[in-house]
Parts: sequence; C-alpha cells; structure tokens
Amino acid sequence: NAGVTQTPKFQVLKTGQSMTLQCAQDMNHEYMSWYRQDPGMGLRLIHYSVGAGITDQGEVPNGYNVSRSTTEDFPLRLLSAAPSQTSVYFCASSYGLAGTYEQYFGPGTRLTVT
Amino acid sequence: ILNVEQSPQSLHVQEGDSTNFTCSFPSSNFYALHWYRWETAKSPEALFVMTLNGDEKKKGRISATLNTKEGYSYLYIKGSQPEDSATYLCAFLAGANSKLTFGKGITLSVRP
Repeated sequence: NAGVTQTPKFQVLKTGQSMTLQCAQDMNHEYMSWYRQDPGMGLRLIHYSVGAGITDQGEVPNGYNVSRSTTEDFPLRLLSAAPSQTSVYFCASSYGLAGTYEQYFGPGTRLTVT
Repeated sequence: ILNVEQSPQSLHVQEGDSTNFTCSFPSSNFYALHWYRWETAKSPEALFVMTLNGDEKKKGRISATLNTKEGYSYLYIKGSQPEDSATYLCAFLAGANSKLTFGKGITLSVRP
C-alpha cells in the first residue's frame, strides 16, 4: 500500500491564482480530511469527508473547496490564492469517523503564495 | 472552537531521562483522545487512540493515560533516546460526529 499520497510536494503561487492540491489513499478509508499547519498554530482542520459524495467544513474552511467523487481521492481547491494561505497542507485518512480510528497522514504540500 | 492545551511547549532532556507531557481538554462530551508523534520533515504518526476513562496504553517505552472526568491525558516516555526527539501532538474529539481538534504540540529534544 502507498498509504496517503499528496501532490505536489512544493508549490509557489501568485496572489489570485488557483490550484488543486491532490490527495489519494489506497486503504479504502471512508474518512478523509485536510489540515493546514502554521507556526504556533498546530494542525487546523479545513474540510473533511465521511464518504464519497459527503463533505463538510472544518475550523478554517474559507478560501478552500473540496469534493469527494470517489473513496480514494479528496482534492483541495484554492480558487483565488491569498498570502494568508501560505502554509503546509496535510491530507489524512482513517478507517471510520475521526474519533475512534487513528489517522494516517500524507507527506504534506508546502504552499507559498506571493 | 474547543480548547486543547498541551504543556510544556518544549522540553530538553538528557538521554536516559524519563519525561512526561500533559494534554488538557474539555471534560464535557468527551469521545476520544489521540496522541501523535511528528518527526521533523515527516508526517504525524499515530501513537494511541484512547476512548475510555482510565485507559492506559503502552507502545515500547511510551505510555499514555486518560482521565476524561478531569479532562487530561499524560504521555510518558521512559528512558528517552535521541530518536524520541519529535513533536508530540494530542487531538480531542468532542462527539461521534465532531471533528478532531489538535493541540499545538510539545517539542521534545533529547541530548545524547
């Protein structure tokens, strides 16, 4: 199993540009989520999904869109990048709801918005 | 927004020292508490998922306890080794359909 994969690993965007961060898992996990990690802030939940076709907002959803058309993939879209979105983004998945099952994290995407 | 506090923020110990960290969380509507280990330039990896008051879990030299009534969990590392140097995160879930809220983490540095 590849586990949770994320692409790209690094990305530089200009303000106003759009892009999609890709996340895929091959463990048949129902629950997937996106976090951002900023210095001194810890991991903050952006969006999550409890299964294909179902998504919901986390703590910091503004400026991000997600969709879950398949169990395996959970892309995160930035429609109009802003410098405040400079961060490291982690995708995670778990067998069931986030609480009772450990989460598996991807390697992260380091995004810089200039 | 739930408040999950971890203390201390950072810790520097000598190889062989034992150490412990605290994670504090709201005691109402508890569902689960997670501990993760996060090495520099890697991704967080799960250590423990704890759901019952009084739970004690162990993995090698690392163990954790849970007190849901008073809202805290302790993580212990016995005989710290340089490879234990990492950031240790706890995450709290307030209900079955809720979302994991992470603490800011505790950075441990173990000197050889």
